[in-house]
Amino acid sequence: AQTVTQSQPEMSVQEAETVTLSCTYDTSENNYYLFWYKQPPSRQMILVIRQEAYKQQNATENRFSVNFQKAAKSFSLKISDSQLGDTAMYFCACGSNSGYALNFGKGTSLLVTP
Amino acid sequence: GAGVSQSPSNKVTEKGKDVELRCDPISGHTALYWYRQSLGQGLEFLIYFQGNSAPDKSGLPSDRFSAERTGGSVSTLTIQRTQQEDSAVYLCASSLGQGALNEQYFGPGTRLTVT
Repeated sequence: AQTVTQSQPEMSVQEAETVTLSCTYDTSENNYYLFWYKQPPSRQMILVIRQEAYKQQNATENRFSVNFQKAAKSFSLKISDSQLGDTAMYFCACGSNSGYALNFGKGTSLLVTP
Repeated sequence: GAGVSQSPSNKVTEKGKDVELRCDPISGHTALYWYRQSLGQGLEFLIYFQGNSAPDKSGLPSDRFSAERTGGSVSTLTIQRTQQEDSAVYLCASSLGQGALNEQYFGPGTRLTVT
């Protein structure tokens, strides 16, 4: 079984600044993946970034990067040069290759202000 | 190409009525998932279909919930005798195969309101 915890229900950041969203997880799997999804008001879940647990290098996708601390079971998302379009709910999720369903945290609502 | 589509976008129903929610996955995706997103909560797994295999129904909250997938494509989630606690956004996702290696693509969801 896997559990995912997001301890920040809401966050706010000014445009062009950097913000970090926190996520911790617990899993008994050895081969697992971690994800950050973005859900704007349109409700469409969009994959932002993915990290394979066996890779030590932190994943990056343009302005989005993660800090993956495997021993601490921590997986934070850093958004650089925040844009108004980044305003959304962000969900951290964990999944394994032996399973199928993703386990999601409760989400962090991010507001980017001008 | 076309993404995952869901219908209706919004559904308001009276307590005790049955509802059907539809999901059209991405063509060629053999895996299909239903999740429920209640207010202030993350996504809760409901049911999983993979090809012609028997579905995993372990996440269905009660026997009022059922789902089917016809011809390995379109899926319908049915909620019988709806209750107010069934109010939520129901999200469908599809992927090329089983396992987290395969990215799950989500539809826009159906917002169900039970009055």
